[in-house]
Amino acid sequence: GAVVSQHPSRVICKSGTSVKIECRSLDFQATTMFWYRQFPKQSLMLMATSNEGSKATYEQGVEKDKFLINHASLTLSTLTVTSAHPEDSSFYICSAQPPAPVRGPNEKLFFGSGTQLSVL
Amino acid sequence: AQSVTQLDSQVPVFEEAPVELRCNYSSSVSVYLFWYVQYPNQGLQLLLKYLSGSTLVKGINGFEAEFNKSQTSFHLRKPSVHISDTAEYFCAVRGLSGGYNKLIFGAGTRLAVHP
Repeated sequence: GAVVSQHPSRVICKSGTSVKIECRSLDFQATTMFWYRQFPKQSLMLMATSNEGSKATYEQGVEKDKFLINHASLTLSTLTVTSAHPEDSSFYICSAQPPAPVRGPNEKLFFGSGTQLSVL
Repeated sequence: AQSVTQLDSQVPVFEEAPVELRCNYSSSVSVYLFWYVQYPNQGLQLLLKYLSGSTLVKGINGFEAEFNKSQTSFHLRKPSVHISDTAEYFCAVRGLSGGYNKLIFGAGTRLAVHP
């Protein structure tokens, strides 16, 4: 099946630094990628929708200047947490959507394995 | 907009017993419905999905779910659970219309299987 690689799987950083998380679709072109964050023992909350070559669409309450998303190619999207603070510590998960089929449902989404960010 | 409600935050069950994890949704448009499983410190694995057609869908690991449009429910069932089924289970909904194609998750249900 389709594979989405997310890197790094775990990162620890000092408060005030920036962290970049990469999400790659390894065997398909992802026209759309989604970024989620998950606090311990909670659900996945959608942060933003990223379309290749255009600006990301952020969900209400998500700071676009703090969570920079770049989707420069059909196989790579990055999430940069700028000036990270301890409250940004969370599990971040990306998902990638292949192009819509000519016919039939367009429901496929493939998830990365997540990145655990810990800000000290 | 869509929303998903998972009625039970935790479900304890003994090994080899049946289990049902409940999920209700609301949406102003037609939706696809999904169940995902998440093991500790891991990403999501798709268990099953409902797109159209038969309302009873079968997934991996012996799980199945039934779509009930009148009750806007999509409950997950397994007739006999194993210790290895202990995990977090998420119900999710995705709208069919372009503006509603985000995947929205429920709060999750922690399934704890005891020997």
